[in-house]
Amino acid sequence: QSALTQPASVSGSPGQSLTISCTGTSSDVGAYNYVSWYQQHPGKAPKLMIYEVSNRPSGVSNRFSGSKSGNTASLTISGLQAEDEADYYCSSYTSNSTSKFGGGTKLTVL
Amino acid sequence: QVTLRESGPALVKPTQTLTLTCTFSGFSLSTTGMCVSWIRQPPGKALEWLVRIDWDDDKYYSTSLKTRLTISKDTSKNQVVLTMTNMDPVDTATYYCARGRSRFDYWGQGTLVTVSS
Repeated sequence: QSALTQPASVSGSPGQSLTISCTGTSSDVGAYNYVSWYQQHPGKAPKLMIYEVSNRPSGVSNRFSGSKSGNTASLTISGLQAEDEADYYCSSYTSNSTSKFGGGTKLTVL
Repeated sequence: QVTLRESGPALVKPTQTLTLTCTFSGFSLSTTGMCVSWIRQPPGKALEWLVRIDWDDDKYYSTSLKTRLTISKDTSKNQVVLTMTNMDPVDTATYYCARGRSRFDYWGQGTLVTVSS
């Protein structure tokens, strides 16, 4: 049960936009619109940022958006801010009724 | 207000069995559609989904760990219990419980379990 594939790191300057990809297979990301994204600051529990590919929970900034094409999902952060510096994880429901996470992406704000 | 809290030993010896309890409030595991998952994170590494129990007592396990994991619930106490057998140093991690199936909208603060003799 291999993890979803994410870039290990991304970086951007304040105000810029950037996108984090999450690649799976036709048995997970490509199977359902059940991809979610989590933000994790050091020493903290993950926080849900996007669910069902593109939906934002109440209270999450509209600078965060999600999309999916085939077996690859993406998280886009616009108007990058210092507080966005964190680790980001994607997750997908699978055809086995289980879940899996990506390897995580460290976002650095320059 | 939904909250979850993990509890259990901070240190276990190799080959021992780990038992962790997730105590939650703000929802009921007897409500249709409710689920609780366990997720772990080794120090400096990625999240790993372990197991889920659903409101109807269905259980789903990570393929790689299913022989070592058992999950159960006590609806009256609002608790979910995870047991993991034959612990090894590579199982050292922060263990989280979280509400959800296709998305994890509420998480506990996590409990660090170290496996060492």
